[in-house]
Amino acid sequence: KQEVTQIPAALSVPEGENLVLNCSFTDSAIYNLQWFRQDPGKGLTSLLLIQSSQREQTSGRLNASLDKSSGRSTLYIAASQPGDSATYLCAVRNSGYSTLTFGKGTMLLVSP
Amino acid sequence: EAGVAQSPRYKIIEKRQSVAFWCNPISGHATLYWYQQILGQGPKLLIQFQNNGVVDDSQLPKDRFSAERLKGVDSTLKIQPAKLEDSAVYLCASSPGQRAGQETQYFGPGTRLLVL
Repeated sequence: KQEVTQIPAALSVPEGENLVLNCSFTDSAIYNLQWFRQDPGKGLTSLLLIQSSQREQTSGRLNASLDKSSGRSTLYIAASQPGDSATYLCAVRNSGYSTLTFGKGTMLLVSP
Repeated sequence: EAGVAQSPRYKIIEKRQSVAFWCNPISGHATLYWYQQILGQGPKLLIQFQNNGVVDDSQLPKDRFSAERLKGVDSTLKIQPAKLEDSAVYLCASSPGQRAGQETQYFGPGTRLLVL
């Protein structure tokens, strides 16, 4: 059974810092991995999706990397802003048709 | 393009009562998902539909939860009778399909349920 762990559970940084969120998964035979953002009281927004054959994906100030063999992914946020404050969730899919398994998330607070 | 719509946004009920949630997916999306997100946890899939057929309901507590998607568009999720541990956010999501390139899920705002 796939298990997804996210570290740290919470993170507080001053504006402008670069930061890294970590995600690990127990079964390395994944199909793809996705990072989501969740704002309080709202649904999830997909940020980046990395296929198992890819090493990284970039969108603006966000960069997600994937090391399938070690069962790890990182989400790098450059020059953090208060608007980045949210919970970041990592989710993996084990096959082309299977469902997503989510981690518990990292709650990020960026202070002005 | 309109997003995934859910209603109600909030619901407070007493234990043993029944409750129903409604979801309208993005137009044309064949796959619909219902998730349960307990405070401090990641979402857990309850049921997945492909058009109006069930693909996966392995984590749905079938003694009290039911869901349907009769015309392959809107969906309802029902809890009867509710228990205290059902307090959570119920998220609906949809995707164009299940195959590679179609699997990105778009989430609604969720329904917050509090069972007293």
